[in-house]
Amino acid sequence: DAGVTQSPTHLIKTRGQQVTLRCSPKSGHDTVSWYQQALGQGPQFIFQYYEEEERQRGNFPDRFSGHQFPNYSSELNVNALLLGDSALYLCASSLVAGTDTQYFGPGTRLTVL
Amino acid sequence: GQQVMQIPQYQHVQEGEDFTTYCNSSTTLSNIQWYKQRPGGHPVFLIQLVKSGEVKKQKRLTFQFGEAKKNSSLHITATQTTDVGTYFCAGNTGGFKTIFGAGTRLFVKA
Repeated sequence: DAGVTQSPTHLIKTRGQQVTLRCSPKSGHDTVSWYQQALGQGPQFIFQYYEEEERQRGNFPDRFSGHQFPNYSSELNVNALLLGDSALYLCASSLVAGTDTQYFGPGTRLTVL
Repeated sequence: GQQVMQIPQYQHVQEGEDFTTYCNSSTTLSNIQWYKQRPGGHPVFLIQLVKSGEVKKQKRLTFQFGEAKKNSSLHITATQTTDVGTYFCAGNTGGFKTIFGAGTRLFVKA
């Protein structure tokens, strides 16, 4: 039973570029949430996807967008990268409700130069 | 906006000593979760508490949810070097957004 997988593991971009991060949820899970974790901080909720729709969004600008595919996998897109976007991006999957146990993937470490 | 505060930020203990981290929310929570993140790793779910005044135990770990559902604690008895990491509390207020505390980083000296 595969857990949550994310790709790529590491990524280096320059300011102004765009990036796409990918997540495959744990088998049987249909809800995917994305988080940004800056060094030494707790994860910050970006948004959650369910049934291919964004169900709730945190306090992140429109430069952050996402998508969920019919197989429940998800992408996080960030446009016009800023230095402050450097962080660990975590994907978490769960079953339907927002109060269910979340299983986190290993994350993608994004560095913006 | 809703905030979840966690103290202390860091804790150094000698192996065998006890450890407690506290979590306080500015608003009433529908549930609270605890996660552990090892250095270089990702958050791993430990437990979820839902009921007011709930207490749950997992071996040496004891989790409590306050009567007002605005605070919680995690207590580790007789710490071991394997307990090293950052412990996060995270809460929901009924929606789908989970708010994480900043975490308490535990250092255990053998």
